[in-house]
Amino acid sequence: GAVVSQHPSRVICKSGTSVKIECRSLDFQATTMFWYRQFPKKSLMLMATSNEGSKATYEQGVEKDKFLINHASLTLSTLTVTSAHPEDSSFYICSARDTGTGSKKLFFGSGTQLSVL
Amino acid sequence: EDKVVQSPLSLVVHEGDTVTLNCSYEVTNFRSLLWYKQEKKAPTFLFMLTSSGIEKKSGRLSSILDKKELSSILNITATQTGDSAIYLCAVAFSGGGADGLTFGKGTHLIIQP
Repeated sequence: GAVVSQHPSRVICKSGTSVKIECRSLDFQATTMFWYRQFPKKSLMLMATSNEGSKATYEQGVEKDKFLINHASLTLSTLTVTSAHPEDSSFYICSARDTGTGSKKLFFGSGTQLSVL
Repeated sequence: EDKVVQSPLSLVVHEGDTVTLNCSYEVTNFRSLLWYKQEKKAPTFLFMLTSSGIEKKSGRLSSILDKKELSSILNITATQTGDSAIYLCAVAFSGGGADGLTFGKGTHLIIQP
């Protein structure tokens, strides 16, 4: 099946620094990728939609200047958490659909556990 | 407001038991319902259901959709400790989230040896 690679799997950083998370579709093209945030024992909360070659679309309440998204190619989207604070500590997951098949099935990355000290 | 409700939120059973997880939805322009299993990291796809009454099966797992009752169940027979996970239900519908899905809160299933 389709594979989505997310890196890094875990990151610990100091408050005020920026962290970049990468999401790659390994064997398919994805014009659209999605970024989620998940708190312990909570469901996935969609943060933003990453669109290849254009600006990302953010969900209500998500600060676009804080969570910078870049989708420079059909296989790579990045999420940068800028000036991270302890309240940004969370599990971040990306997902993608295979643009070629038009399937509704989402394939998820393995997630990134961010801890801000 | 469109929503997806899963029950129970948490369930603890012994190995070998059979469990049934529930997902109900209130959405307009329903397209499909998906089940995911989430262990420590990423959710992995289990089933996609679009037609009512047709059971989908994969090993000890099976799922069925009831469009009349606006619900779906996920059955796991002869449970094993490896089945312990959060099971997420998501519904795709027109006008849903940008990803086209709305997720339920999940059922946290714990299988005790």
